[in-house]
Parts: sequence; C-alpha cells; structure tokens
Amino acid sequence: KNEVEQSPQNLTAQEGEFITINCSYSVGISALHWLQQHPGGGIVSLFMLSSGKKKHGRLIATINIQEKHSSLHITASHPRDSAVYICAAKETSGSRLTFGEGTQLTVNP
Amino acid sequence: GAGVSQSPSNKVTEKGKDVELRCDPISGHTALYWYRQSLGQGLEFLIYFQGNSAPDKSGLPSDRFSAERTGGSVSTLTIQRTQQEDSAVYLCASSLTRQANEKLFFGSGTQLSVL
Repeated sequence: KNEVEQSPQNLTAQEGEFITINCSYSVGISALHWLQQHPGGGIVSLFMLSSGKKKHGRLIATINIQEKHSSLHITASHPRDSAVYICAAKETSGSRLTFGEGTQLTVNP
Repeated sequence: GAGVSQSPSNKVTEKGKDVELRCDPISGHTALYWYRQSLGQGLEFLIYFQGNSAPDKSGLPSDRFSAERTGGSVSTLTIQRTQQEDSAVYLCASSLTRQANEKLFFGSGTQLSVL
C-alpha cells in the first residue's frame, strides 16, 4: 500500500463540470502539496496546506488532518485544466516528499 | 534567474558512462530538492539540500548516485556507471526556506536516456 494514494487515476470531464480529486495519506505530515504537471512535463505548485482550506481562482484545496485526507476541487472546469494533478505529503520527520501516483484529468470542450 | 534552470534538457548516454545533471535554483532559495520520474511512474524523492546543513540523501537509489551543492547555489547530480533503469526525467526544485508550507518551484527537468 502506497503511503500516499490518489483517486481517481484518470478522470474525464466536460467543460464546466465540477471536479474533485482525492488524496489519502498514511504518514504523519507537516504539509501537503498539490502539484500540476502540464502535458509538456513542467510542474507547477498549486497549493501547500497544513490545515483547513485554500482557494486560488477556480481551484480549491482542502485538508482534514484527522482523517488524513485532502481534496482538490476545480470549479467550472476548462480544457486548459487538462493535466496530471499530483499530491505530495511532506512527512513530519525529515524533509522528503512522498508523492501520489497522480490523476490524469482530461476536460473536453 | 527567473526560475529554476536545469541542464541539459535532454541527455542520451551509453550504459556504463557517467553523467552530470545541473540545477540552478532561484537566487536566494536555500532549499533544493532532486526528484526522479520514471516512465509511467510517479515522482520519487532523491536528495535534499538546505543551506549549509548535511544533505538528506535518504532517497538516493544506489551508491552510483551522488549530488553536490556548491556555495549553497548550483547543484549537480552525478550518476556513475549508468544503467538502463536510470532512464527517467530528473527534476530539481527549490524553495525559499525549508518550512513545511513553503512553495516549491520546479525546473523543467532533464530527460535522461541510457541506451
């Protein structure tokens, strides 16, 4: 069992749909990152959070420390949101990030 | 520079040769990370540098892998006697500090192909 698990692995949506990607982790963490990997391979950090909720434009990230679960939501999805979304847990011990396998999101027009 | 710079962007080498990958972090960033993404697999932590502290090498897969960070800035990842399973995209990231919620900035990676 991976220490960080994402679901779904693949997600296809129609433009305008509300999207949720889930991340569960089994390790103690000091922070959780959501990353976006573009089709060309570049990676952008979207959020890092240790509690509660953060919002940036159409993106919302939440985390429940007790349940060891985080979600990334995309409202009013658009084809340009098509990418791989990766959650990464920063363990409380040490500096390493443990990554989920990623969620391939495709938003069709 | 404006972002994290990695070179070369692509490297093709023969099995058994040594390779050096370079990372220029954002100026002033004290934390620097190396990750690897193998084909069809997720990101894998390799090594972490923070200022003048001893690096966290716990992710290096074998003793053929080593990394240096000179002057607290540029870092080189060296792979000796490359093997085909070393083929991957090697990504570097930096952040201003080592704080848990510090934003990471990624380079565009080096695609390493070992023939």
